Amino acid sequence: NAGVTQTPKFQVLKTGQSMTLQCAQDMNHNSMYWYRQDPGMGLRLIYYSASEGTTDKGEVPNGYNVSRLNKREFSLRLESAAPSQTSVYFCASRDRGVDQPQHFGDGTRLSIL
Amino acid sequence: DQQVKQNSPSLSVQEGRISILNCDYTNSMFDYFLWYKKYPAEGPTFLISISSIKDKNEDGRFTVFLNKSAKHLSLHIVPSQPGDSAVYFCAASEAIYDMRFGAGTRLTVKP
Repeated sequence: NAGVTQTPKFQVLKTGQSMTLQCAQDMNHNSMYWYRQDPGMGLRLIYYSASEGTTDKGEVPNGYNVSRLNKREFSLRLESAAPSQTSVYFCASRDRGVDQPQHFGDGTRLSIL
Repeated sequence: DQQVKQNSPSLSVQEGRISILNCDYTNSMFDYFLWYKKYPAEGPTFLISISSIKDKNEDGRFTVFLNKSAKHLSLHIVPSQPGDSAVYFCAASEAIYDMRFGAGTRLTVKP
């Protein structure tokens, strides 16, 4: 009954370091998403993957890359971390249909010094 | 620009009373609206939704109202319970892969 699993839960990086955030879902959903949550800003979409093998930019993609490794896994990579990327990152998945809600992981809290 | 706005950062109500959380949007192309609930250190969880062809949807203690002419939706919780204390996010969707979230309203229900 795991749903969406994100690793790690916490991470501290230095400016310029690289990092990959992992996400896996066990609900056989086609679509997967990466969001960041900042105070007063709500959740903003970074990248999404409509299906295995496809990825597209969201609202705030700069400084990030993603990989849809297979149907279950969708990773987010920071190639050269910047303090502005300090945030809480959420991964989500969704079944087919516009009326289907997204299911979220518990988040990764990332601090960049 | 924020297409979905929740103008009240916080709301406090007494247990047993009604909680009303509000949300405004600017994009008239949004056709599906959702409310999510978030506890600390957890991800948001889906609460209730409404299609743009409806003006009301009810699920137990939770009711969502949509006023398309005013580009406004609200979430009513009756009666409010201490376990409802959380941050509530309003979200709106135009295309299947594009969902915009509000900044959230922190609800506190006092015993």
